[in-house]
Amino acid sequence: DAMVIQNPRYQVTQFGKPVTLSCSQTLNHNVMYWYQQKSSQAPKLLFHYYDKDFNNEADTPDNFQSRRPNTSFCFLDIRSPGLGDAAMYLCATSRAGVETQYFGPGTRLLVL
Amino acid sequence: ELKVEQNPLFLSMQEGKNYTIYCNYSTTSDRLYWYRQDPGKSLESLFVLLSNGAVKQEGRLMASLDTKARLSTLHITAAVHDLSATYFCAVGSAGGTSYGKLTFGQGTILTVHP
Repeated sequence: DAMVIQNPRYQVTQFGKPVTLSCSQTLNHNVMYWYQQKSSQAPKLLFHYYDKDFNNEADTPDNFQSRRPNTSFCFLDIRSPGLGDAAMYLCATSRAGVETQYFGPGTRLLVL
Repeated sequence: ELKVEQNPLFLSMQEGKNYTIYCNYSTTSDRLYWYRQDPGKSLESLFVLLSNGAVKQEGRLMASLDTKARLSTLHITAAVHDLSATYFCAVGSAGGTSYGKLTFGQGTILTVHP
């Protein structure tokens, strides 16, 4: 089945230690999104790629970076995680901006 | 700036009862999405509403969109326990670099009890 896959599902890191989260998709969608969702809150968009074009949200901290080496893969890099970065990170894809976004299972990040 | 507000934020329902969740948004859009999220899980797409007057139904859930009133509703008919989850509405932005961006409501935590 076509799907959005995120690895790892759970990630524990230390304060200040860089971490990379991975997202891959078999849907061949051209748009990929990264969201941060904290407990009991709505998902918050960090950035998205429309093909190779990177679009950063204005309030996304510089600590968060992203890479999209090809259509299928997208990475979220957190350069120096703080305690406040502990959250669920959701990757989503869509074929074009008007269509439904399909979400991966998420990566739950814990910062010690 | 687009704002999306849901109400109620918490909804406790008895099985078999009907209720409606409301989603209001602040700027023009004709793309409205409803998602379901179970605890600790990801978001599951329920409905996509792409025009004024759109109505979609799946099982005990029915969603509608009134773009003139900037309002979408999610109606629950004869609730069952399996519907317990958090429901999010999300509004799509159009144009420029915002193309495709979703702005989510706060979510409505639905609990259905016997």
